[in-house]
Amino acid sequence: DAKTTQPPSMDCAEGRAANLPCNHSTISGNEYVYWYRQIHSQGPQYIIHGLKNNETNEMASLIITEDRKSSTLILPHATLRDTAVYYCIVRVAWSQGAQKLVFGQGTRLTINP
Amino acid sequence: DTGVSQNPRHKITKRGQNVTFRCDPISEHNRLYWYRQTLGQGPEFLTYFQNEAQLEKSRLLSDRFSAERPKGSFSTLEIQRTEQGDSAMYLCASSLVRGAEATNEKLFFGSGTQLSVL
Repeated sequence: DAKTTQPPSMDCAEGRAANLPCNHSTISGNEYVYWYRQIHSQGPQYIIHGLKNNETNEMASLIITEDRKSSTLILPHATLRDTAVYYCIVRVAWSQGAQKLVFGQGTRLTINP
Repeated sequence: DTGVSQNPRHKITKRGQNVTFRCDPISEHNRLYWYRQTLGQGPEFLTYFQNEAQLEKSRLLSDRFSAERPKGSFSTLEIQRTEQGDSAMYLCASSLVRGAEATNEKLFFGSGTQLSVL
């Protein structure tokens, strides 16, 4: 699976949009971009994923550049509960394959009051 | 639906002892995963089950580690002759996958078992 590069840490004010970047310049055409987050003392939590189109759900939006070499996770109105480590992962999704997610070190996002 | 449950939450053991962890996945989820996470690092894949069949094991899973999922329900992860390097958070995750939906598989993680080997 392709490697990803994320900033080690970011800060954001409560109520503002948090924009978390991820570079995946070696991504292949059949690789999806997944985002998970991990709040302290909990297991990772799925946020969103996409292939090439932008995606939005109740938690966040995912913007993937046209060349697919980078993406941005957007939390539109960050709250203190969004403080967590955010992992950007790219993986091949075969019809039978397992989700052997390769987590990097992620971005530690701190939401400040 | 109470989510993925892992027991115990914490385990302290002496080097050389055997330990066993239990994971109860979300009801009817057919895939179950084990990951390991050390301090400051992201989780690392160990192994996974499709129903009761263990389909893949990472090279991280030495022969001291064994995992089972009898009847495709709960799973256990046993570590024999524990070493200090086994100290980590052991995470379990489950998912429901039907055929082509595997391309959109989402993992649901438990809160993990924190193992400390003294």
